[in-house]
Amino acid sequence: AQSVTQLDSQVPVFEEAPVELRCNYSSSVSVYLFWYVQYPNQGLQLLLKYLSGSTLVESINGFEAEFNKSQTSFHLRKPSVHISDTAEYFCAVSFSEKLVFGKGTKLTVNP
Amino acid sequence: EAGVTQFPSHSVIEKGQTVTLRCDPISGHDNLYWYRRVMGKEIKFLLHFVKESKQDESGMPNNRFLAERTGGTYSTLKVQPAELEDSGVYFCASSQGRLVSSYNEQFFGPGTRLTVL
Repeated sequence: AQSVTQLDSQVPVFEEAPVELRCNYSSSVSVYLFWYVQYPNQGLQLLLKYLSGSTLVESINGFEAEFNKSQTSFHLRKPSVHISDTAEYFCAVSFSEKLVFGKGTKLTVNP
Repeated sequence: EAGVTQFPSHSVIEKGQTVTLRCDPISGHDNLYWYRRVMGKEIKFLLHFVKESKQDESGMPNNRFLAERTGGTYSTLKVQPAELEDSGVYFCASSQGRLVSSYNEQFFGPGTRLTVL
């Protein structure tokens, strides 16, 4: 069965510092991978996704994630974070036609 | 274009009462999903509608939960009778096509926070 592990429940960082949010998955079949973000008092928004092709995918706001099949990972990175990146981030894998999520990582960016 | 909307945003009820959550998907989206996040845990799939038909209801916890999508538009999720462990955030999502077969995204609503006392 598919499962997703987000190793860090909370990640505090200072503004302009780099950040990496870790995600590992387990699956016996090929998967599609996603990162969703939930800003305070808002719904889930798709941040980026890997379906096929280049293993490095980028979002419009500077985040990127790399699909690593051998390590079954899909870590999310940003070289320099802003206060506005404070949110909860969810890694997810597709299974059939539904999404299987990790427990989420709360990113707090401090001035 | 309006996004996925959910009503109410919050609901506080007592154990044993009934609550009905509503989800309005993006217009034209045939696929509608319900997910739930219990505090501190992962967001978990509950069920999937394609138009008015239940495609997959494998995530429904028990028969106290009833989901409907009459006419293939909005959907309701009723919990009757509610128990303490039903507390959490209920998310609805919709998509135009099916997730895996196309470059297709599930658009999520803001969620309904349910508290059962």
